[in-house]
Amino acid sequence: DAGVIQSPRHEVTEMGQEVTLRCKPISGHDYLFWYRQTMMRGLELLIYFNNNVPIDDSGMPEDRFSAKMPNASFSTLKIQPSEPRDSAVYFCASSFVSYEQYFGPGTRLTVT
Amino acid sequence: GNSVTQMEGPVTLSEEAFLTINCTYTATGYPSLFWYVQYPGEGLQLLLKATKADDKGSNKGFEATYRKETTSFHLEKGSVQVSDSAVYFCALSRETSGSRLTFGEGTQLTVNP
Repeated sequence: DAGVIQSPRHEVTEMGQEVTLRCKPISGHDYLFWYRQTMMRGLELLIYFNNNVPIDDSGMPEDRFSAKMPNASFSTLKIQPSEPRDSAVYFCASSFVSYEQYFGPGTRLTVT
Repeated sequence: GNSVTQMEGPVTLSEEAFLTINCTYTATGYPSLFWYVQYPGEGLQLLLKATKADDKGSNKGFEATYRKETTSFHLEKGSVQVSDSAVYFCALSRETSGSRLTFGEGTQLTVNP
């Protein structure tokens, strides 16, 4: 298996622009997680899905952030409008039932 | 609620030194415990895990034992290498929360030649 795939790997955008991050989980996995990692705040869970249904979005910073999972093989995390403080590395991870999570390589987002 | 506390970093060692990174947890019931490693510029990778008390997880020379009496899961390696330089995260999960992980803060390890 190719593992968790994220795109793009790097994104540089200007403040106010819409940003869409994409994730393809490992085939057969039924959980999908979105994390954000910064030096100041460490690793934060933003939202997670089970069988394509959002279970807990309490970590989503504010209404500018939204996430969707239209099917078992694809998820998006959208930021609109983006702000410089959103600059971070965003990770997607997937897992099967209650087994360990597998992380993608991350998307490094820079908002200028 | 669930929580994980790791020893503060960063940790700097010379090659072939002994490594211990402390991890303690708070959780009800019987969580599963994990160590993840993050190499520079990469995502987190599972290093080892233990699913019940007294289990010992091991991988790549690293090991950790699930101690319920002390609620600990300390990571050890007898002889570190420069290639072990990375950030190490302790984590737990509860079956009742699916595979959602509660992570510690992470410990940066630097190994000098």
